Amino acid sequence: QLQLQESGPGLVKPSETLSLTCTVSGGSISSSSYYWGWIRQPPGKGLEWIGSIYYSGSTYYNPSLKSRVTISVDTSKNQFSLKLSSVTAADTAVYYCAGQWLVRWFDPWGQGTLVTVSS
Amino acid sequence: QSVLTQPPSVSGAPGQRVTISCTGSSSNIGAGYDVHWYQQLPGTAPKLLIYGNSNRPSGVPDRFSGSKSGTSASLAITGLQAEDEADYYCQSYDSSLSGSSVFGGGTKLTVL
Repeated sequence: QLQLQESGPGLVKPSETLSLTCTVSGGSISSSSYYWGWIRQPPGKGLEWIGSIYYSGSTYYNPSLKSRVTISVDTSKNQFSLKLSSVTAADTAVYYCAGQWLVRWFDPWGQGTLVTVSS
Repeated sequence: QSVLTQPPSVSGAPGQRVTISCTGSSSNIGAGYDVHWYQQLPGTAPKLLIYGNSNRPSGVPDRFSGSKSGTSASLAITGLQAEDEADYYCQSYDSSLSGSSVFGGGTKLTVL
């Protein structure tokens, strides 16, 4: 059964780069059926899709975040990563990684990790 | 402002039926892209509830059902139970601006 787990710093300073990694277990990140996505949720607010990547490295990003986002994949480690540059307090959120079936629905999800942007 | 519009809140008494709407446009739901629904219980990650407009993953009770028509979709919950109190989100694909996955703003379901 596919499982995902986010990891990374819980506190990032303003103007710096947020970096998170998602480790996939119970299956291969090189599956032809899955994209791998990042979604975030600011405290008390709704879900916002950040971007998704295929094992080949093909990506698609939320246009509103595209200039600051880089998603990469490491098939040897069964991991994919998120980098969000020039962060502000508005980037404080719970960040989730998830498997995305053929650019359609997200399932499964990681448990999420809270990242706070503060000096 | 979300690309997909949901009511902020709905409520119903135990045993009743409630519906949650998800309104899109010609670049997403109206373009034929399918709609998916998620349930988020307090303090937990979202869970897939309905995929491909009307399909239930294994383990999801048949009290939950989804439908789609034109530029809108709906989630229906029958036989409302206290454990259904949660936030619900719709999600689809939008073909504008190079293509994006998009979520609705979410709907808080309160069981009275």
